[in-house]
Amino acid sequence: ETGVTQSPTHLIKTRGQQVTLRCSSQSGHNTVSWYQQALGQGPQFIFQYYREEENGRGNFPPRFSGLQFPNYSSELNVNALELDDSALYLCASSPSGTGAAGYTFGSGTRLTVV
Amino acid sequence: EDQVTQSPEALRLQEGESSSLNCSYTVSGLRGLFWYRQDPGKGPEFLFTLYSAGEEKEKERLKATLTKKESFLHITAPKPEDSATYLCAVQAFYNQGGKLIFGQGTELSVKP
Repeated sequence: ETGVTQSPTHLIKTRGQQVTLRCSSQSGHNTVSWYQQALGQGPQFIFQYYREEENGRGNFPPRFSGLQFPNYSSELNVNALELDDSALYLCASSPSGTGAAGYTFGSGTRLTVV
Repeated sequence: EDQVTQSPEALRLQEGESSSLNCSYTVSGLRGLFWYRQDPGKGPEFLFTLYSAGEEKEKERLKATLTKKESFLHITAPKPEDSATYLCAVQAFYNQGGKLIFGQGTELSVKP
């Protein structure tokens, strides 16, 4: 059984650029959630996808968007990057109906905006 | 507003010195309270889920307890390998999907 895989592991972007982060769900998991974790802080919920539809969103602006594909993998896209977007971006997958109780987190993508 | 506050922010213990981490929460209808362990540069690793006041769960040197306002993570006779950041999170009944609200974490350091 494979875990949750995120790519890339590290990324450096310039302010104003766009970035796409990727997440492969654990086998059998059809729900994907994305979190942003600033240095020294706890993760903050960005949004969740279930069956390719967004079904929950945190307090993040529209320039944070996502996709879920038929194989349940997911992408997080961030447009017009700002310095404050520098953070560890975590993906968590879970089986249907388990909610957070079934979360498996990936190791994250460390994004640095300069 | 739903909120989770953890204390202390950092805790340094000697190997074998037992202690407790606190998680205070405010939520409109608790669906579950979660404890995670996070090592540097890694994603959170699930430890426990607690659902109702009075519930307790144990795993090796860790024991989690829950009241209506807070949760404690008790660490008995810790070892250096227990050094990590411990995160507490809550899920409310009204939350769509699996949204978790996290505290800022307690960074635990256990010295030999």
